[in-house]
Parts: sequence; C-alpha cells; structure tokens
Amino acid sequence: KAGVTQTPRYLIKTRGQQVTLSCSPISGHRSVSWYQQTPGQGLQFLFEYFSETQRNKGNFPGRFSGRQFSNSRSEMNVSTLELGDSALYLCASSLRGQETQYFGPGTRLLVL
Amino acid sequence: AQSVAQPEDQVNVAEGNPLTVKCTYSVSGNPYLFWYVQYPNRGLQFLLKYITGDNLVKGSYGFEAEFNKSQTSFHLKKPSALVSDSALYFCAVRDGVNRDDKIIFGKGTRLHILP
Repeated sequence: KAGVTQTPRYLIKTRGQQVTLSCSPISGHRSVSWYQQTPGQGLQFLFEYFSETQRNKGNFPGRFSGRQFSNSRSEMNVSTLELGDSALYLCASSLRGQETQYFGPGTRLLVL
Repeated sequence: AQSVAQPEDQVNVAEGNPLTVKCTYSVSGNPYLFWYVQYPNRGLQFLLKYITGDNLVKGSYGFEAEFNKSQTSFHLKKPSALVSDSALYFCAVRDGVNRDDKIIFGKGTRLHILP
C-alpha cells in the first residue's frame, strides 16, 4: 500500500500571501489530521477530518482552515501568512481516527 | 482535557547501554498511548502503542514501553542502544473513553546515542 503523500514538499512564500497544502491518505483511511511542527513548540494539532467533516480543531487562528474531499484527500489553507507560520506541516491518516496514525513526510513552509 | 509530558529535551546514551525516554500523561478516561520516532527531514514513524492488556508493550526496532497506571507513565525503553536509534521521539496520548477527543503529542525528546 502506498503511504501518506503530501504536496508540495517545500514551499517559500512571503508575508500576506496564502498557501494550500495537500495530503493524500493511505487507501481506505477516512481520518486525516494535520499538525504544525516547530522547534520551539513541538508538534501542535491543527485539525482532524473524518468523512468530510471536521471532527476536532486545535487552538489556531481562523487563518488556518482545511477540508476533506469524498475520496478522503485533504487540503489545508493558511491565509495572510505570517513569519511565525514557517514550520513543517505534517499530515497523518488512520482508519477511523482512534487508531495508529501514519504520517506523511511533511511540507516545509518558509515565510519570508 | 488530556496532556502528555516528556520531561527531558535530550537524552544521551552510550552505544550498547540501555536507554529510557520518559513520558507521563494525564487523561480523564482510559489512555491510549503511543510512541513515534522522527528521523531528520522525515515524518513521524509509529513505534508502539498501548490500548489495553499487558503493561509491557513491544514495538518496532527492539523498543518496548511499560504502562504504569499508578505513576501515569509510559516510558520507552531499549536494552541495548544503537547509533542508528539517534532521533527525535514523541509520546502521544488519546482519551480512550471520549473517542472523539484529539490525540495530544509531547514536545519530543532528542535521543543521542554516542559511539
């Protein structure tokens, strides 16, 4: 089975721009979660989607949003980028959400 | 709300020695506990989990973890460390009763195995 894939792998943006990141889960997995990883804050939960519905949300501003499509693929969007948004964004999938999560390689975002 | 703590930012161990990476947790219900490892420029890889049953859980690459309910701990262990075990290790917890609750990760512990 193919693993979790994330595109793009690297991204450079400037302040004020917006960005969309994509995640394709393992085939058959219906839950997709997004995390932001920074050296200072560790791994912080952004949101979880299950069957196209947001099931959980972390403590991030409304500039961070996401969605899930009927094929379980998910996108997250960050609008009005700030320097502090520079991070590794990780996506993880699981069958229904409570089980082991399988992570993608991440998208490294640099905001200048 | 649940929480997880990894009290050590970094652990140094000589190759061949036993290693322990500490994790304590807090949940209102029964804990689902996980350990993940992250190598440089990679996503997280699952090592092992505790849901129910035996308190000693065996996982990938010779790692094991012991669930201790009274101490609310889930320390990761390996009898003999390898240089290739050097990586960033994350403990995570989820409330097994409130199944819609999100998974919470610790801040990570960087493990250095010295040759």
